[in-house]
Amino acid sequence: NAGVTQTPKFQVLKTGQSMTLQCAQDMNHNSMYWYRQDPGMGLRLIYYSASEGTTDKGEVPNGYNVSRLNKREFSLRLESAAPSQTSVYFCASGGGASGWRAIGDEQFFGPGTRLTVL
Amino acid sequence: SQKIEQNSEALNIQEGKTATLTCNYTNYSPAYLQWYRQDPGRGPVFLLLIRENEKEKRKERLKVTFDTTLKQSLFHITASQPADSATYLCALEYNQGGKLIFGQGTELSVKP
Repeated sequence: NAGVTQTPKFQVLKTGQSMTLQCAQDMNHNSMYWYRQDPGMGLRLIYYSASEGTTDKGEVPNGYNVSRLNKREFSLRLESAAPSQTSVYFCASGGGASGWRAIGDEQFFGPGTRLTVL
Repeated sequence: SQKIEQNSEALNIQEGKTATLTCNYTNYSPAYLQWYRQDPGRGPVFLLLIRENEKEKRKERLKVTFDTTLKQSLFHITASQPADSATYLCALEYNQGGKLIFGQGTELSVKP
């Protein structure tokens, strides 16, 4: 099992450019998440998806859109990148043997995408 | 809104000693509290979970306590090793469910 995979690993954008961060998991999990991590701020939730076809805003959704393409894939899009979006982005998934995540179940994280917006 | 505070200063200890990391929160107690380890350039990895009605949980050299009166969780690594050097994150989850709220993490450095 590859677990949670993310592409790309690194990206440099100019202000105003757009891009999509890709995430896939092979653990049959229903729940998927996008976080950003900034120095001294910890992980902050951008968007999450409790199941295929549903998405919800997290703590810091402004400037981002998401798509739950199917059960495996959850993408994050920056339509017009800003320097304030320079960060490390992590995708995560969660779910038990049935695929559904119960309260308290751990989350599994990808390796992250380091994004710089100039 | 809920605030979580972890030791902001890096923790430096000698190999073989016990490392103790703190996670404090405001407002009401979570149903679950999780601890994760994060190595540089990598995603967090789950270590331990403790429930609101549990006082203590152990796993090998790791021990977590949860004091809802103090609104605090302590994470202990006994007989620490240089390989334990990493950043440790606590995360809270409430009964409404679905989302974890993370602290900012504490960097631990274990010197030989």
